[in-house]
Amino acid sequence: AQSVTQLDSHVSVSEGTPVLLRCNYSSSYSPSLFWYVQHPNKGLQLLLKYTSAATLVKGINGFEAEFKKSETSFHLTKPSAHMSDAAEYFCVVRTIYNQGGKLIFGQGTELSVKP
Amino acid sequence: DADVTQTPRNRITKTGKRIMLECSQTKGHDRMYWYRQDPGLGLRLIYYSFDVKDINKGEISDGYSVSRQAQAKFSLSLESAIPNQTALYFCATSDQTGYGYTFGSGTRLTVV
Repeated sequence: AQSVTQLDSHVSVSEGTPVLLRCNYSSSYSPSLFWYVQHPNKGLQLLLKYTSAATLVKGINGFEAEFKKSETSFHLTKPSAHMSDAAEYFCVVRTIYNQGGKLIFGQGTELSVKP
Repeated sequence: DADVTQTPRNRITKTGKRIMLECSQTKGHDRMYWYRQDPGLGLRLIYYSFDVKDINKGEISDGYSVSRQAQAKFSLSLESAIPNQTALYFCATSDQTGYGYTFGSGTRLTVV
């Protein structure tokens, strides 16, 4: 079975400092991994996705994530936090095709950005 | 118009009532999904459908049922609502690859 674990339920950073949101995955197959963001009272927006091409994936709004097979990790980073980055972030793995290609979500990490 | 539309956006209902949440999409996708979101638990899959004749249970289907009325419509029903079904519900669609997901804006359901 495939799963993801987000290692922090809440992360707080100051504006202008780096962001690191941690995610570990479990998969018997080469996984497809995603990061989604949910701003307060909003729906879900895809930040980026990894589908076995380049291990460093660039997304929207300056976010990027690196797939590390040896560490089974897919951490999300941004060099400099902005106030508008305050939101909840979900690490997601897609099940393999013959298991339905469903999305399995991590528990979420709430990012707070202080002025 | 949004690609995936959920109605209602907000609903308060009483324990024991039957309630239906509706989802329609203009993406032309065959695959549709219902998820619920609870604080600290992320999104969990309730039901999914790969075409009009194909309905599958997700990880938390107890207490829920679904109907796929057409390719574009996928409804979620709570036969007898209970307070622990209070949550934010999302409908989603995907293409055949399973990569191109589109989520609706969500329905916030409160059961009192």
